[in-house]
Amino acid sequence: GAVVSQHPSWVICKSGTSVKIECRSLDFQATTMFWYRQFPKQSLMLMATSNEGSKATYEQGVEKDKFLINHASLTLSTLTVTSAHPEDSSFYICSARDTADYSNQPQHFGDGTRLSIL
Amino acid sequence: GQQVMQIPQYQHVQEGEDFTTYCNSSTTLSNIQWYKQRPGGHPVFLIQLVKSGEVKKQKRLTFQFGEAKKNSSLHITATQTTDVGTYFCAGLRTNAGKSTFGDGTTLTVKP
Repeated sequence: GAVVSQHPSWVICKSGTSVKIECRSLDFQATTMFWYRQFPKQSLMLMATSNEGSKATYEQGVEKDKFLINHASLTLSTLTVTSAHPEDSSFYICSARDTADYSNQPQHFGDGTRLSIL
Repeated sequence: GQQVMQIPQYQHVQEGEDFTTYCNSSTTLSNIQWYKQRPGGHPVFLIQLVKSGEVKKQKRLTFQFGEAKKNSSLHITATQTTDVGTYFCAGLRTNAGKSTFGDGTTLTVKP
């Protein structure tokens, strides 16, 4: 089955640090990847849609300059949390879709990254 | 914008009892997907429904898509402890590029 690898799985860092999270599709090409944030016992909150070769589409209320997304290849998207603060602490999950035919393809999720800002 | 409501938020059952979670959309959907997230894990795709009135089964799980393609349900017969987790529906609106996730139903099963 389709596998999405997300690294790192856990990050603890000081306030003001920038943190980069990688999302890789291992056995398929992903023209579209999604970045979600999930608070404990809550649903997945879509942050942005990442499209290979073009700018990401951010959801309302998500700061573009705060959460930088780069989708440089068909198998890799990165999310950089810039100048992270304690309120950015959360569980970040990426997902990838196999083709551009989004109407028929499920999302394959990475294992998530637990970010803790001290 | 499109909203996908999912109920109940939590469900506690005795092992062997049945379980159902319901998903309702404010707009007609192109398809609906169901995912399961185990505690501490990531969402895993279960199934996709596309046709009006469609019913699909996976062992003890039965998935239904409403005639109007605005609602869906997941029913588990004779729950087992391995069924614990949060079940999410995700609806895709026609011509939209992304699915909208429901809030999820967290199932706990008492042995």
